Amino acid sequence: GAGVSQSPSNKVTEKGKDVELRCDPISGHTALYWYRQSLGQGLEFLIYFQGNSAPDKSGLPSDRFSAERTGGSVSTLTIQRTQQEDSAVYLCASSLGGQENEKLFFGSGTQLSVL
Amino acid sequence: GNSVTQMEGPVTLSEEAFLTINCTYTATGYPSLFWYVQYPGEGLQLLLKATKADDKGSNKGFEATYRKETTSFHLEKGSVQVSDSAVYFCALSDNAGTYKYIFGTGTRLKVLA
Repeated sequence: GAGVSQSPSNKVTEKGKDVELRCDPISGHTALYWYRQSLGQGLEFLIYFQGNSAPDKSGLPSDRFSAERTGGSVSTLTIQRTQQEDSAVYLCASSLGGQENEKLFFGSGTQLSVL
Repeated sequence: GNSVTQMEGPVTLSEEAFLTINCTYTATGYPSLFWYVQYPGEGLQLLLKATKADDKGSNKGFEATYRKETTSFHLEKGSVQVSDSAVYFCALSDNAGTYKYIFGTGTRLKVLA
């Protein structure tokens, strides 16, 4: 596609429910990143994919968070048993090869609100 | 660990005013430094970057110089326009073989006509 696409753009859920956030990276980009931005905070690194594998999952805040990537393309971030502190904007980015200094292309994000 | 600190906003300026948004960093080694910008309703996009000390990144009239002695990468523009209204993020990439970009909290700029 022309850019990184994320869906849904907004998600309101009740505490305790599971949610799935989707990211479609730019076609041909092998590297994919998930970040979280809470109110007044910087972008918090969550996970990085190179192809379908995730060399670094250290940023995932708890075992309620998981992510997968299939076909070297679409990625899904799943949050189980959501809590109010999970409320944030979840941003996805992709880059061509995952090299140092490489330009990241960001989606517009998913605004998650947990009531 | 690595970190980025940037000035809090919002910053409100009149058109044609001079802009400075401060950014300082803490890092081991020699990181690369970036400014990303997020226009209303759009995703973050790279504005400029500098990969070594004393390098100056520039784009769209914006400039930032990599100052190792002061660990800073301040963003400047001589004459802002209404269309520059956006949120600006300072970031670093650790060049020790990682791909983790560390971002600041973002500074919202509002330019009034």
